[in-house]
Amino acid sequence: DGGITQSPKYLFRKEGQNVTLSCEQNLNHDAMYWYRQDPGQGLRLIYYSQIVNDFQKGDIAEGYSVSREKKESFPLTVTSAQKNPTAFYLCASSIDPNTYEQYFGPGTRLTVT
Amino acid sequence: GEDVEQSLFLSVREGDSSVINCTYTDSSSTYLYWYKQEPGAGLQLLTYIFSNMDMKQDQRLTVLLNKKDKHLSLRIADTQTGDSAIYFCAEKDNNDMRFGAGTRLTVKP
Repeated sequence: DGGITQSPKYLFRKEGQNVTLSCEQNLNHDAMYWYRQDPGQGLRLIYYSQIVNDFQKGDIAEGYSVSREKKESFPLTVTSAQKNPTAFYLCASSIDPNTYEQYFGPGTRLTVT
Repeated sequence: GEDVEQSLFLSVREGDSSVINCTYTDSSSTYLYWYKQEPGAGLQLLTYIFSNMDMKQDQRLTVLLNKKDKHLSLRIADTQTGDSAIYFCAEKDNNDMRFGAGTRLTVKP
């Protein structure tokens, strides 16, 4: 089955700790994205990567970091510098940055206390 | 303000039609999309429309685009309880994709 996976589904962390969210796709897509979803708000772009070993900041990159060492993997680290890390995080991929369709993973709900 | 705006809630009776509306601001948008999100899940692409089209129909779904007013709508015919979800409107221009806040559709039996 081809698709995009995120793990874990629920994640709990203490304030001050870094945490890494996993995103893997076996669709052979070049482009990958990380979004944050808060209640009553649309998705906001954190980081995106158009190709391996390259990534750009989105609208709300502060307090986050990413890497793209492999085509199929785009992990997101939520650092202790992120002021309000509790949110639902969605990873997506597309064949290339210009294509119309983004495929979304099931999401990871991060709770920081 | 938001680049893409939607009302937050819509409630309909099973069997009725649902119409979810969206307005956007970027006149250079190339594609406009409707995504569906069920509780605790990721977004599922329902349909999309290219900016030079006025209408697109796909089974129970009809998308209408008024480019002059920058208004997009999604009509769901014969709405079922399984259609209860949050529906996101999104626009795309080159590499940027902007989402609305989502409309929560509740279908009552």
